[in-house]
Formats: sequence, structure tokens, C-alpha cells
Amino acid sequence: NAGVTQTPKFQVLKTGQSMTLQCAQDMNHEYMSWYRQDPGMGLRLIHYSVGAGITDQGEVPNGYNVSRSTTEDFPLRLLSAAPSQTSVYFCASSRPSNPIQYFGAGTRLSVL
Amino acid sequence: AQSVTQPDIHITVSEGASLELRCNYSYGATPYLFWYVQSPGQGLQLLLKYFSGDTLVQGIKGFEAEFKRSQSSFNLRKPSVHWSDAAEYFCAVGEGFQKLVFGTGTRLLVSP
Repeated sequence: NAGVTQTPKFQVLKTGQSMTLQCAQDMNHEYMSWYRQDPGMGLRLIHYSVGAGITDQGEVPNGYNVSRSTTEDFPLRLLSAAPSQTSVYFCASSRPSNPIQYFGAGTRLSVL
Repeated sequence: AQSVTQPDIHITVSEGASLELRCNYSYGATPYLFWYVQSPGQGLQLLLKYFSGDTLVQGIKGFEAEFKRSQSSFNLRKPSVHWSDAAEYFCAVGEGFQKLVFGTGTRLLVSP
């Protein structure tokens, strides 16, 4: 059972570079979300999606873009990375009928 | 907007002693409540959840939590802590079925 898969596990970027964090789930979950985790702040919602073609902003969306072309994938794009985006990023998925979210193992991103 | 408060940043407990981690939430209706655990460098694992019904819920690894509506609390308990329980614990409230609002976490240290 793969569940929620995030790639890469680690990434170092320079300020201004762009990159995409990948998230894929094989549970046929319609809902997917991205969170960032920072020390002392818990996890905060960046963007979420309730189905293919439908996305919405969370608590901290600035500097991030998302799109959802398939049920399985929900990539997170950083167009111009900033040091403030140094964080651990988690992807999660869930079903409309069940509020339990299943998390990936995370991507640790450092922006220098 | 919903919010979750975990007032203890760190807690140290002797191995074999009992544990209680506090969680208070702000939510207008009956909430979906969760406790997740995160070991160092790992993702989030669901310990237990409350949706409705019996206010005392049992989870994995010998943990339990009690929902108290009058106190807006959902405290996590374990009667006897093991060294392997050392981790960070997050309380969360479900905002609908697609989003979670997390507390800032409590780091549990277990002393011999």
C-alpha cells in the first residue's frame, strides 16, 4: 500500500529558483491538501483541492501555486523560492465521506 | 475561524508514569477532533479521532482521549508511558471534511 507519496524527500534551492513538490495518492481520494510545518507553529494549510480541476487557498497560500488535473496528483509549485519558504511540506488526502486525512512522509525544503 | 490551543510546548514524563496532553479548541458546532503523533524526521500518524458518540475514545499504542464539550477540550492520556512514546503530538480540528486546523504541538520527552 503506497498511500500518499511525496517526492523529493529533501531539496535545497537558491533564492529565486523554482521547483515543484510532487504528491500522488493511490487511494482514489477526492480531497487533497498541502501543509507546511514550521517550528513552534504546527502545520498550516497552504492550498487544498476537493476534486480534479478545483483548488482553493488555505491559511498561507502566498508564494505557492497548485493545480489538480487528475484525482491522483496534486503538485505544489514554488515559482520564485524565498528563504521564508524553508519548511517541511506535507501532502494529505481524504474522502468526502470521511474527515480522516492521510499524510505523506514530507518534503524537507531549504531555501538559501 | 477555528483554532486549536496546545498550552504545553514541552512535557517531560518519567517512563512508566501517566501522561496527559492538553488540547483546547474553538469551533461553533460539534467538531471532528484528532490527535496525531510525529516521531523525529517522520510523517504524521493518526493516534485517535472523535466524530460523535462516546466521549472517551481509544486509539493506537494505548492512548485515549476524552471530549469535553463544556470545556472545549480533547485531552490525550496514557496510563503508562514508554520510552518509545517520545515524539511530538499534535491536536487538530477538522474544518469540514477537507481541512485540518492544527495546534502548535507538544513535544514529549521521556526520562528513564
